Amino acid sequence: EDQVTQSPEALRLQEGESSSLNCSYTVSGLRGLFWYRQDPGKGPEFLFTLYSAGEEKEKERLKATLTKKESFLHITAPKPEDSATYLCAVQATYNQGGKLIFGQGTELSVKP
Amino acid sequence: NAGVTQTPKFQVLKTGQSMTLQCAQDMNHNSMYWYRQDPGMGLRLIYYSASEGTTDKGEVPNGYNVSRLNKREFSLRLESAAPSQTSVYFCAIDRGTEAFFGQGTRLTVV
Repeated sequence: EDQVTQSPEALRLQEGESSSLNCSYTVSGLRGLFWYRQDPGKGPEFLFTLYSAGEEKEKERLKATLTKKESFLHITAPKPEDSATYLCAVQATYNQGGKLIFGQGTELSVKP
Repeated sequence: NAGVTQTPKFQVLKTGQSMTLQCAQDMNHNSMYWYRQDPGMGLRLIYYSASEGTTDKGEVPNGYNVSRLNKREFSLRLESAAPSQTSVYFCAIDRGTEAFFGQGTRLTVV
């Protein structure tokens, strides 16, 4: 069964304290792995897509990496405005379009 | 999120009542999706539509019906609401490289 597991469920950091979020996945064939950010009361906001093991993408203080079994979202010197829930999702090769399998998310809190 | 509009934003229903959640896009994409989000469960796909006039079941379709009457609009109907359908509902479109989500409808069934 295809599934996505994110850890930890919640992460509290001090401003400037770098850390990583983990997304482990099991899928019969990976078309793409997606990271989204979700603020309270809002819809998920797209961050990155990774397609193959070894791929990396960066945006400001965020860097996403991908292996054959997991993805990491590295947060360097976070700021309070980085506080949000981060969602990981996979798209299987047998799925068309936006059919995604989501993890349960990691709630990140960055304190000043 | 600009481009995908969901109505209403909030709704409280009594058990057994019916309602339709509306989703409209102005981005001219073919595929549209309905997800529900529950604490600790992540987002789960209810139904999707690959193009106008076609719909297919997702992971959790029971208790729901959908309608895709034109390219812009994809509605989700609860015929007889149950407390288990209390959730936040998101409509999404496929932009080709990623899914783009609306702001959500928070539904409570009492």
